[in-house]
Amino acid sequence: AQSVSQHNHHVILSEAASLELGCNYSYGGTVNLFWYVQYPGQHLQLLLKYFSGDPLVKGIKGFEAEFIKSKFSFNLRKPSVQWSDTAEYFCAVRGSGTYKYIFGTGTRLKVLA
Amino acid sequence: GAGVSQSPRYKVAKRGQDVALRCDPISGHVSLFWYQQALGQGPEFLTYFQNEAQLDKSGLPSDRFFAERPEGSVSTLKIQRTQQEDSAVYLCASSLAGQANGYTFGSGTRLTVV
Repeated sequence: AQSVSQHNHHVILSEAASLELGCNYSYGGTVNLFWYVQYPGQHLQLLLKYFSGDPLVKGIKGFEAEFIKSKFSFNLRKPSVQWSDTAEYFCAVRGSGTYKYIFGTGTRLKVLA
Repeated sequence: GAGVSQSPRYKVAKRGQDVALRCDPISGHVSLFWYQQALGQGPEFLTYFQNEAQLDKSGLPSDRFFAERPEGSVSTLKIQRTQQEDSAVYLCASSLAGQANGYTFGSGTRLTVV
């Protein structure tokens, strides 16, 4: 079955700590991968996406993600978080050439000032 | 407008009541999607329009759910005889044609059925 797993449901970090949020997917075939962020009271926004090429993808606000095909993973990283990164983060997969996203259940990140 | 606009932001409905949720996509966006996000879950696909054509409605949970986009711009998601399990945030997203584009999401409508 097609699915996305985000293992960390809640993460609490202090400012300047490093962040890694896990994302694993199950999908037959070539995929496009995404990370979306939802700040409190706001809509989902695209952080970064992977379609092909360099498996290390850089997004906005200093975030990056690495696609490891052999592990079916697309983990999100940031070397030093800020209080303003407090938000919910969603990993999503889409079959290449299709339009339907499959989202993970999300990870709530709280950064303490 | 600059983004995807959804209205109302919040809706409380009594069980059995019909509701209509509106989505105004970004001008020129051909593709429009509806997703349902239950509490503590990620968004789940409901339906997809390309212009006025509803190309996929496989995610609609029952025949009480109906979506339309008659002129290829504004879309309405209608839920008849609402049930408590319909309580969720309903998200609309739009995009330009082509698979290289990500979606732009609206802020959603939070529906609570009491």
